[in-house]
Amino acid sequence: GESVGLHLPTLSVQEGDNSIINCAYSNSASDYFIWYKQESGKGPQFIIDIRSNMDKRQGQRVTVLLNKTVKHLSLQIAATQPGDSAVYFCAENINNQGGKLIFGQGTELSVKP
Amino acid sequence: DAGVTQSPTHLIKTRGQHVTLRCSPISGHKSVSWYQQVLGQGPQFIFQYYEKEERGRGNFPDRFSARQFPNYSSELNVNALLLGDSALYLCASSSDGYEQYFGPGTRLTVT
Repeated sequence: GESVGLHLPTLSVQEGDNSIINCAYSNSASDYFIWYKQESGKGPQFIIDIRSNMDKRQGQRVTVLLNKTVKHLSLQIAATQPGDSAVYFCAENINNQGGKLIFGQGTELSVKP
Repeated sequence: DAGVTQSPTHLIKTRGQHVTLRCSPISGHKSVSWYQQVLGQGPQFIFQYYEKEERGRGNFPDRFSARQFPNYSSELNVNALLLGDSALYLCASSSDGYEQYFGPGTRLTVT
């Protein structure tokens, strides 16, 4: 079936360290990917996106890497802060399916002060 | 500028009842999508509307329906509620159907 990152792993890091969150996607036809941050009781917050014609994109303290060969996406957070603690989801968009986003179960990031 | 707004924030319904959830997109956005998020899982796509037309439908039963109004706001309707419909219902708006911004969600509890 459709799936992106089926499991919900937990990543625990020390404040100030860099974090890397990984995601495997399943559909070779996916042409657009988004990382979202979701805090407890809130809706997903857009972090950064990348299109399939790119392999790297940088934002403020975040970098997304895309490896289409192995269908892998990663989110790097520099100098992780306690406010970064949340569940992070990657989502893929398949162009011929009306803008439908397919989400995985996410990764829980816990930042220790 | 206001982000995506949803109402109500919380709702408790009984099995068999009907519910209507509402969403207002970001100003200027013409696309609205609906997602269901069960606790501990990622959001699941239900519908997308663009310019008042349905552009996509997920794997949900016909009890779920939606519509988009001329001002681009949207409603999600669920009939004959089941216990399994308890979830966070999320609305996302987009200008191009790709970059989607989510609202805070409506927490629906079916008892």
